[in-house]
Amino acid sequence: GQNIDQPTEMTATEGAIVQINCTYQTSGFNGLFWYQQHAGEAPTFLSYNVLDGLEEKGRFSSFLSRSKGYSYLLLKELQMKDSASYLCAVDDSNYQLIWGAGTKLIIKP
Amino acid sequence: DTAVSQTPKYLVTQMGNDKSIKCEQNLGHDTMYWYKQDSKKFLKIMFSYNNKELIINETVPNRFSPKSPDKAHLNLHINSLELGDSAVYFCASSPLVTGGAQYFGPGTRLTVT
Repeated sequence: GQNIDQPTEMTATEGAIVQINCTYQTSGFNGLFWYQQHAGEAPTFLSYNVLDGLEEKGRFSSFLSRSKGYSYLLLKELQMKDSASYLCAVDDSNYQLIWGAGTKLIIKP
Repeated sequence: DTAVSQTPKYLVTQMGNDKSIKCEQNLGHDTMYWYKQDSKKFLKIMFSYNNKELIINETVPNRFSPKSPDKAHLNLHINSLELGDSAVYFCASSPLVTGGAQYFGPGTRLTVT
């Protein structure tokens, strides 16, 4: 079956660093996406990894290991506005994304 | 300019009614999607169209019928609404049928009473 696992909730402190993990088992693989979703809003695209390694985009970085079926999203210099849900999704090469249930990130002052 | 737009943003209706949600994208993308996000926040794909052609039709009651008059529009019609249909419905578009990021509309919050 197809499965994506990520922690349900994480808490971090403003200014700190947090790593959100995602493990996946899918029938095919054509890339892994991270999305951010603030409460009451639509998901917005953050990053895409199709090859192993780290992709950096400002305060956010995303890592992929295809052999381990593993990715993480790293958020640095956390700000209060980073409080949101972070969704991991895998393109299964079958014309759709397989979505994780999302990780709710709570930032405390 | 709005990239992916949906109307209406909120929809409150009674059981048994028929309603439609409209979606338009001005990104020039070939692929469009409908998702349902329930109270547990899990995103579930419902339908996907590529250049007006249906490519994904997940296990969805046949009360839900998508229509794509052209590749910039994908509408969702729901017949005989039920309480369990209450959710947020998101439209999304992507430049690629596979391997491309999806860009979401603002969502339509449907409440069935």
